[in-house]
Amino acid sequence: DQQVKQNSPSLSVQEGRISILNCDYTNSMFDYFLWYKKYPAEGPTFLISISSIKDKNEDGRFTVFLNKSAKHLSLHIVPSQPGDSAVYFCAASASRLNYGGSQGNLIFGKGTKLSVKP
Amino acid sequence: DTGVSQNPRHKITKRGQNVTFRCDPISEHNRLYWYRQTLGQGPEFLTYFQNEAQLEKSRLLSDRFSAERPKGSFSTLEIQRTEQGDSAMYLCASSLGDPTNEKLFFGSGTQLSVL
Repeated sequence: DQQVKQNSPSLSVQEGRISILNCDYTNSMFDYFLWYKKYPAEGPTFLISISSIKDKNEDGRFTVFLNKSAKHLSLHIVPSQPGDSAVYFCAASASRLNYGGSQGNLIFGKGTKLSVKP
Repeated sequence: DTGVSQNPRHKITKRGQNVTFRCDPISEHNRLYWYRQTLGQGPEFLTYFQNEAQLEKSRLLSDRFSAERPKGSFSTLEIQRTEQGDSAMYLCASSLGDPTNEKLFFGSGTQLSVL
């Protein structure tokens, strides 16, 4: 069973508009959430993270929202740019369950392919 | 380049052969992770090291897989008696292990094809 779900395999957005990528999770023990971006033939690149004690974190054009009661998080990209076109992965960690409190034992979703059209 | 380096980038092998991959993490990072990614899936955690100690292993890591990190620097992942199901991208990541805000930096991966 998938503990982290990204139900939209793809998303197409016009340049300059907002991109909203969604992620749902099932494990209430998750306490740390991240978004990664991946280009073809490269490893995932860290974008933004959020701890379960917060409900919002912002970094430039990227904002992550966490709704713990709904077990849902979303990534907003404003404004979207053609260079944002990539696969976006949502990931979660239950650090309290991991040896040494590691937040790096991540459970990833299957990804959403974002296409930003000029 | 001061990022995470993985070698080789691609490996083609025949079923039953042994393969070894190498990962050089960012130099000051004390934690090192191995993940595996298959087509259409997100990366899956395999194992992690803090310095030279292997602290956690996933149930995905069968006894044909072994990972080492001698002296807490580079790491190797060996797969013995490869099977076609081992075909995947093997990703290495490293981090400083900040306990409240850990960020993993991934390498470009080693793509393994088992024929």
